[in-house]
Amino acid sequence: GNSVTQMEGPVTLSEEAFLTINCTYTATGYPSLFWYVQYPGEGLQLLLKATKADDKGSNKGFEATYRKETTSFHLEKGSVQVSDSAVYFCALRPFNQAGTALIFGKGTTLSVSS
Amino acid sequence: NAGVTQTPKFQVLKTGQSMTLQCAQDMNHEYMSWYRQDPGMGLRLIHYSVGAGITDQGEVPNGYNVSRSTTEDFPLRLLSAAPSQTSVYFCASFSGGAYGYTFGSGTRLTVV
Repeated sequence: GNSVTQMEGPVTLSEEAFLTINCTYTATGYPSLFWYVQYPGEGLQLLLKATKADDKGSNKGFEATYRKETTSFHLEKGSVQVSDSAVYFCALRPFNQAGTALIFGKGTTLSVSS
Repeated sequence: NAGVTQTPKFQVLKTGQSMTLQCAQDMNHEYMSWYRQDPGMGLRLIHYSVGAGITDQGEVPNGYNVSRSTTEDFPLRLLSAAPSQTSVYFCASFSGGAYGYTFGSGTRLTVV
């Protein structure tokens, strides 16, 4: 079946540190991949996405590359800020199932201190 | 403002009570879903709909009911609330294609 595995948190970093949150997936074909962010007390916001192999999604300094060979979609940011503190969710939408809902990882909590 | 609107934002129920969580979107999206979020569990799919009149079960459907009489609305009904249904509930909609889902701001439900 389809599934998403994220690194467990919490991840605690100092401001301006480099961030990596690992995400791997299991799915048939070429699923669409997403990163969502949830700030405290809020709903989920789409951070970035990629729909085919080798696509790189980017937004607000965050990047993730769709790696078919390693079934991965790791989230990276070169220099985190305190305002990046949030929960990050990796998700996939199965191939050829546009109407099917997203499948989420369990989320990774990021805490950035100044 | 265009988006997904959930009501209420907070609710406390007694065990055995029933209630409906409301979800409405004004983006003319065909696809809508309900998730629950629990600590350490991520988001789990309860029910989803691919269009008016069409619904299907997700990963954790027991104890919940849905209907989709219009494109805009996708209410979630708790038939007989149980403490295990204490959670944060999110509704989401999706237009299709290579786009992400739009989420509502959530309903925090406590069953005592």
